[in-house]
Amino acid sequence: DIQMTQSPSTLSASVGDRVTITCRTRLSISGWLAWYQQKPGKAPKLLISKASVLESGVPSRFSGSGSGTEFTLTISSLQPDDSATYYCLQYNSYSNSFGQGTKVEIK
Amino acid sequence: QITLKESGPTLVKPTQTLTLTCTVSGFSLSTSGVGVGWIRQPPGKALEWLALIYWDDDKRYSPSLESRLAISKDTSKNQVVLTMTNMDPVDTATFYCAHFLVTGDRDEAFDVWGQGTMVTVSS
Repeated sequence: DIQMTQSPSTLSASVGDRVTITCRTRLSISGWLAWYQQKPGKAPKLLISKASVLESGVPSRFSGSGSGTEFTLTISSLQPDDSATYYCLQYNSYSNSFGQGTKVEIK
Repeated sequence: QITLKESGPTLVKPTQTLTLTCTVSGFSLSTSGVGVGWIRQPPGKALEWLALIYWDDDKRYSPSLESRLAISKDTSKNQVVLTMTNMDPVDTATFYCAHFLVTGDRDEAFDVWGQGTMVTVSS
């Protein structure tokens, strides 16, 4: 069972800031990692798959990078609508697993 | 347009078995390369992956919950069913089902999710 370590657990930033969230795993998952955005009371929304592939309709300020054991989600210029909790998901192994989430707050 | 909708009891008693149904539309559960998964989220906590079922009826389970879970599908009804035995108050959560594809020999990420259904475990 692959454990995902996501950091930070919370972050507070201003509109226009560059924001970075990291997911790490002890075992390589190649590029089989996705990022989701979840707003209160809503289902998660897929932002990025295969570590860096932006889903259709997702703003270009979101980007993903990494491979193997370390992955990053970057928001290049934080917007008020980006206030949410973000989760990584590894789908490389027999069983999938999510990170613990990062709550992004706007200052 | 692909949609999924979860249904089931909102309240179950400790030790009871929970049965949830995911009704899908916009795709067939028998189409090669299609799959549906279940994920849960306790109030205020992180997402937890539970189980997957593939178009060919292959199944996968979370190792930590495998002994309590069973996933199945009824293609004629466009439904995927998840059962979880021996429910406990710590199992209180919103349960989601989600669609994914298999391309080549690799699963893709969950791309379309249902709205979720909240289940409370209490006597």
